[in-house]
Amino acid sequence: DAKTTQPNSMESNEEEPVHLPCNHSTISGTDYIHWYRQLPSQGPEYVIHGLTSNVNNRMASLAIAEDRKSSTLILHRATLRDAAVYYCILRYDSGNTPLVFGKGTRLSVIA
Amino acid sequence: EAGVAQSPRYKIIEKRQSVAFWCNPISGHATLYWYQQILGQGPKLLIQFQNNGVVDDSQLPKDRFSAERLKGVDSTLKIQPAKLEDSAVYLCASSPRGATDYGYTFGSGTRLTVV
Repeated sequence: DAKTTQPNSMESNEEEPVHLPCNHSTISGTDYIHWYRQLPSQGPEYVIHGLTSNVNNRMASLAIAEDRKSSTLILHRATLRDAAVYYCILRYDSGNTPLVFGKGTRLSVIA
Repeated sequence: EAGVAQSPRYKIIEKRQSVAFWCNPISGHATLYWYQQILGQGPKLLIQFQNNGVVDDSQLPKDRFSAERLKGVDSTLKIQPAKLEDSAVYLCASSPRGATDYGYTFGSGTRLTVV
């Protein structure tokens, strides 16, 4: 499985934007970039995913570098409820390929 | 839409005892996964089902762990006998078949403590 590298932890002030980086220098052409987050005492939840182009949804934006070797998850206005562990995952373009989780980035949000 | 249901929410057992976890996936989701999450780590895949067939169980410790998915719907994961290192959260997830667009839906997990 292709590997991703994320900072262990990050901190943000409430109502400010947050940029969570992910490096994936060994990504292959058919790997999708997925982001999940895990709130305390909950299972992970899907946030966003993309292949080459930047993506936006109601939760976040995903910015993908032109060479696809890195990506950034953007939370436009952090709230206390966004405090979670964020996982960046590469997934081969196959519906049956399981998600392989790393350690993720623990985001703390300060009021 | 109802989420992925798991029970029990918590379980405490002594080592060498057996334990079973239950998962009810989202209706119509063909693929079901069991993950083990040890404190401080990301979830680790144990087994993947497609309908009622096993797709991948390469990381399931088969000497003590077993899982089944009857009629392609509910699933149970069993540990017998349990060891101290099995203390973890056991997560169940489901997805529609072939879904790269919609991701997985996880349950809240079962927290197992082996003493």
